[in-house]
Formats: sequence, structure tokens, C-alpha cells
Amino acid sequence: NAGVTQTPKFRILKIGQSMTLQCTQDMNHNYMYWYRQDPGMGLKLIYYSVGAGITDKGEVPNGYNVSRSTTEDFPLRLELAAPSQTSVYFCASSYSTAGAEQFFGPGTRLTVL
Amino acid sequence: AQTVTQSQPEMSVQEAETVTLSCTYDTSESDYYLFWYKQPPSRQMILVIRQEAYKQQNATENRFSVNFQKAAKSFSLKISDSQLGDAAMYFCAYRVNAGNNRKLIWGLGTSLAVNP
Repeated sequence: NAGVTQTPKFRILKIGQSMTLQCTQDMNHNYMYWYRQDPGMGLKLIYYSVGAGITDKGEVPNGYNVSRSTTEDFPLRLELAAPSQTSVYFCASSYSTAGAEQFFGPGTRLTVL
Repeated sequence: AQTVTQSQPEMSVQEAETVTLSCTYDTSESDYYLFWYKQPPSRQMILVIRQEAYKQQNATENRFSVNFQKAAKSFSLKISDSQLGDAAMYFCAYRVNAGNNRKLIWGLGTSLAVNP
């Protein structure tokens, strides 16, 4: 099992550019999540999905969009990148039970200049 | 509002010694889960230990154990026989067990240094 994979690992964007962060999991998890982690801070939930075709906003969804067309993939789209979106982005997945562990990808470090 | 507070931004421990990281949370729910995650310099988030609120017995995983005080809403992590590889950020997290809500509420983390 590869677990949760994310691409790219690093990216530098100019203000106003767009990009998609890819996330794939091979554990057949229903639930998937996108977090951002700013320096010295905890994780903030951007969007999450409870299954293919179902997504919902987290704490900080503005400036982002997601889709979930398959169980495995949960891409995060940044439109019109802004310096405030400079962060490390983590994708995670889990089974649907409340006590289920969230498995995390290695993260994408994004800088917007 | 549900919140998780880690009052120790930084801690240090001597190798082979024991250290306790604090976590308190605020909730009106009675059925929930609590987690400790570790984030080493590699950035990979790893589950250390979890506790279900209805279980009175404190969870243990090898050298890691928790002191869960439900009435006090406290969930501290004890690391025994600390090793250099334990150096990391440690995050406490909470999840209510209700409906389809699987969102985790995270603390700001405690940076643990292990001194040789």
C-alpha cells in the first residue's frame, strides 16, 4: 500500500495563478480531508468529503475548491492564488468510524509570491 | 464551541527520562474521541494514541500512555523512556462521535526536544 500520496511536494506560484494539488489514497477510505498548516500553528480543515460525489466546507474554505469523482482521488484547486495561501497542505483519509485514525500524506509546501 | 488547548508550546526531556504533555479541551458532548498525533521534522503526521471518552481505562501504546480525566476535560500524554526519535511536534485532537461528523479539532501543538 502506498497510503496517501500527494503531488507536488513543493510549488511556488505567482499571485493570481491557479493550480491543483493532487491527493490519492489506496486504502478504500470513504472519508478524505484537506488541511493547511501555517508556520507554528495546528491544522485547519479546508474541505472534506464523506464519499465520492459528496464534499463539504471546513473552517477555511475560501479561495479553494474540491471535487471527489472517485473514492481514491480528492484534488484541491486553488484559484487566483494569494500570499495568504502560502502554507503546507496536507491531505488525509480515514474510514468512516468516529474513532478511525486519519492517515496523512507527506504534504505540499506552497509558496505564493 | 469545541476547542483544544495545548498550554506548552515547547518542552524538553533528557533521553531515557519521562515527559508529560498537557492537553485540555472544551466540549458539551459526552461521546467523543481524543487523539495524540506526532509530526516529526519529516512533516508526516502519525497517530500516537487515541482514547474513547466512554472508556475509563487510560489508553497505552508501548512507551506512550495517556491520563484521561473526563470531568476535568484533560488528556495528557506521557512518554516514558524518551528516545531521540521522539523529538517532534505533538498535536492533541478531538472528534465528536455524532452523525457523519468526522472533523478533528486540533490544538496548536507542543514541540518536544529530546536531549542526549
